[in-house]
Amino acid sequence: GNSVTQMEGPVTLSEEAFLTINCTYTATGYPSLFWYVQYPGEGLQLLLKATKADDKGSNKGFEATYRKETTSFHLEKGSVQVSDSAVYFCALSPEKLTFGTGTRLTIIP
Amino acid sequence: DAEITQSPRHKITETGRQVTLACHQTWNHNNMFWYRQDLGHGLRLIHYSYGVQDTNKGEVSDGYSVSRSNTEDLPLTLESAASSQTSVYFCASSRTGETEAFFGQGTRLTVV
Repeated sequence: GNSVTQMEGPVTLSEEAFLTINCTYTATGYPSLFWYVQYPGEGLQLLLKATKADDKGSNKGFEATYRKETTSFHLEKGSVQVSDSAVYFCALSPEKLTFGTGTRLTIIP
Repeated sequence: DAEITQSPRHKITETGRQVTLACHQTWNHNNMFWYRQDLGHGLRLIHYSYGVQDTNKGEVSDGYSVSRSNTEDLPLTLESAASSQTSVYFCASSRTGETEAFFGQGTRLTVV
């Protein structure tokens, strides 16, 4: 079956640091890949997505590239802000999403 | 604006009681899903539906049931609540053939 392995947290960084959160997947066929973000007390929001190999998803300064050869979809941001503190989930589909365990990110001023 | 709403947002119940969590979406999406979120497990799929009268079991369906009598609603019922079902529950919906899902705000359920 499908599965997602995500970098364990928590991750604590200083403001303006570079962020990488690793995500690898196992799936049959050609899934779509996602990063969702969950701010405290809220539901999940789609951060970015990629639907085919070599696609790059981007939003709010975050990027992730769909790498079929390494079955990876690592999340990156060049300069994090305090407001980026949240839990980040890697996920894949089609139709019903399979999630990783989530990575809690805390940015300190 | 279209949205997906869950109710209640918080619920405390006793072991053995039946509990129903509501999920209502106004996007006219065919696909609806229920997940539970637990520390160390991420989100795990409980039940899902691809349309009216269609329901399917997810990876953690034991002790839960759903029914889909219309497009907008997918209530989740815990037939006899257990302490192991203390969790945060999220409902989501998506359009047929589309991969992006929209999530509700979640229901925090405590079984005492």
